[in-house]
Amino acid sequence: GAVVSQHPSWVICKSGTSVKIECRSLDFQATTMFWYRQFPKQSLMLMATSNEGSKATYEQGVEKDKFLINHASLTLSTLTVTSAHPEDSSFYICSASASWQGGTDTQYFGPGTRLTVL
Amino acid sequence: AQTVTQSQPEMSVQEAETVTLSCTYDTSESDYYLFWYKQPPSRQMILVIRQEAYKQQNATENRFSVNFQKAAKSFSLKISDSQLGDAAMYFCASSNFGNEKLTFGTGTRLTIIP
Repeated sequence: GAVVSQHPSWVICKSGTSVKIECRSLDFQATTMFWYRQFPKQSLMLMATSNEGSKATYEQGVEKDKFLINHASLTLSTLTVTSAHPEDSSFYICSASASWQGGTDTQYFGPGTRLTVL
Repeated sequence: AQTVTQSQPEMSVQEAETVTLSCTYDTSESDYYLFWYKQPPSRQMILVIRQEAYKQQNATENRFSVNFQKAAKSFSLKISDSQLGDAAMYFCASSNFGNEKLTFGTGTRLTIIP
């Protein structure tokens, strides 16, 4: 159980175009989803937190107009990188959190998306 | 604010031996969770083990166990009978009860020597 998928796994795009990344919880309903960015050989950097049906909460320094997050259902969140530039090239990872009985929450991660902007 | 510190950037262990990865954390909360995640070369983050701070008993998952020292704010991971598939980057993380945001350490790269 607790499987999270991400699509696409790898995308190459031209500078100035927009790219959408999907994150799905396959066998549970995710009350909250998270989007991370990971640079080579570094830890995960939280970009934003999204709850179904409400606006995402962005971390300090993350441009919300550039990284659009939509959480339309309890199983799907999307991250759109708008007007992508080479500096946006990175590994993007989503996670989904399920509130189990007793109130404990654990994040389960998708496999990640490698974005390369030419 | 929470902080998580992993002081060992790299560790190596002989196959079948035991290795311990260190993690210390700081939080002002009384209820919180601690996690170890594994990131193999595929880069898929995998939950290894979770510990609720209110539980005194150390969590165990097969060959993986933790030594949770609440007063010392220490949360080390012990891997017994190390296997080649254990080679990965290991991240220690924490979150507060009721707030699912994770705070990650910088990671420890574990190499298994055949």
